[in-house]
Amino acid sequence: KNEVEQSPQNLTAQEGEFITINCSYSVGISALHWLQQHPGGGIVSLFMLSSGKKKHGRLIATINIQEKHSSLHITASHPRDSAVYICAVIGVEEYGNKLVFGAGTILRVKS
Amino acid sequence: EAQVTQNPRYLITVTGKKLTVTCSQNMNHEYMSWYRQDPGLGLRQIYYSMNVEVTDKGDVPEGYKVSRKEKRNFPLILESPSPNQTSLYFCASSKIPGPTHDTQYFGPGTRLTVL
Repeated sequence: KNEVEQSPQNLTAQEGEFITINCSYSVGISALHWLQQHPGGGIVSLFMLSSGKKKHGRLIATINIQEKHSSLHITASHPRDSAVYICAVIGVEEYGNKLVFGAGTILRVKS
Repeated sequence: EAQVTQNPRYLITVTGKKLTVTCSQNMNHEYMSWYRQDPGLGLRQIYYSMNVEVTDKGDVPEGYKVSRKEKRNFPLILESPSPNQTSLYFCASSKIPGPTHDTQYFGPGTRLTVL
């Protein structure tokens, strides 16, 4: 079983739809990252969370440490949001300062 | 402009020929890291460095070496590349080392093919 599980693996949405991508993890963590990888391959960090909720433009990220779950929401989705969204956790104890990644969610937003 | 640079961006080489992929950041970041990305396996951490002269293994360090002699540079060395090291490689850096990381800044990636 992977330490970090993302769902769904693939998601197709119509422009304007509200989108949710989920990330569950099985280890104790100190922080969680949401990353965006563009079709050209570049990776951008969207959020780093250790508790609660963060918002940046149309993107909202939440984390529930007790339930070991995080969600990334995109409001009013747009074709330019099409990308791979990756969840990564920074574990505690035996994981030290390593990052462990989910497999990614491929999002396609159609106009 | 704040950035992480990697060179080369693309490289085709042959088995056993030593190579180095350079990584440099201009943000005075303490934490630097190397990742590889493979289809179906996602991103995996190779090595990371908390500061100058401090490096640690990630999840897939076999076949790789790193060094951190200066804060800005973190080269990835493949002493004897093999075809299973064909991959897309990313370097990243962040300001604050330790368990609670700051935003990670990624380089543009290096696509390596080992024949």
